[in-house]
Amino acid sequence: LAKTTQPISMDSYEGQEVNITCSHNNIATNDYITWYQQFPSQGPRFIIQGYKTKVTNEVASLFIPADRKSSTLSLPRVSLSDTAVYYCLVGDMEGYSSASKIIFGSGTRLSIRP
Amino acid sequence: EAQVTQNPRYLITVTGKKLTVTCSQNMNHEYMSWYRQDPGLGLRQIYYSMNVEVTDKGDVPEGYKVSRKEKRNFPLILESPSPNQTSLYFCATGRTGDGYTFGSGTRLTVV
Repeated sequence: LAKTTQPISMDSYEGQEVNITCSHNNIATNDYITWYQQFPSQGPRFIIQGYKTKVTNEVASLFIPADRKSSTLSLPRVSLSDTAVYYCLVGDMEGYSSASKIIFGSGTRLSIRP
Repeated sequence: EAQVTQNPRYLITVTGKKLTVTCSQNMNHEYMSWYRQDPGLGLRQIYYSMNVEVTDKGDVPEGYKVSRKEKRNFPLILESPSPNQTSLYFCATGRTGDGYTFGSGTRLTVV
């Protein structure tokens, strides 16, 4: 199973760019990399997903090197409302990979200060 | 609107009294899953289902049952709840390329 490793916590300030890196050394060929944001007592919310290279949407960018053994979530110009726990997941919901279990790691607790 | 609906949101029950937490999705996804979340332990997968009548154990399946008779519904059954099953439960559905959509959660207390 593709387990992930992330920093336990990070601190930053409003207006800064924040990069959170996730390690997933045994990622399978069919696995996608997905990042989620979770606020207390709420379900995680999808941020971005990628397979390789770079993906960008309206809230974040995801950088994936060629070996796919790690990925970096980039949040541009964070605000106080970005304070949350961020999870990196690898997995495949289509069943083509043996790693059909979708495993959440411990997540990164991001704290944004004024 | 794409939704995952869990019920109930809050439940207090006694040890040994069977209960069911319902989960329904309107996105026509084949993949559904249940997680529990406990302080300091993150989200742990209980069971998942790749399609109707296809279910498999996650990391912490002991004490739980699931069924998938229809694509939209994936109930979580606790046949004999115990206090160590007190937790926050999330149902989720998704497909590769779209990621997960989670329900609002069910906070279960077993006394």
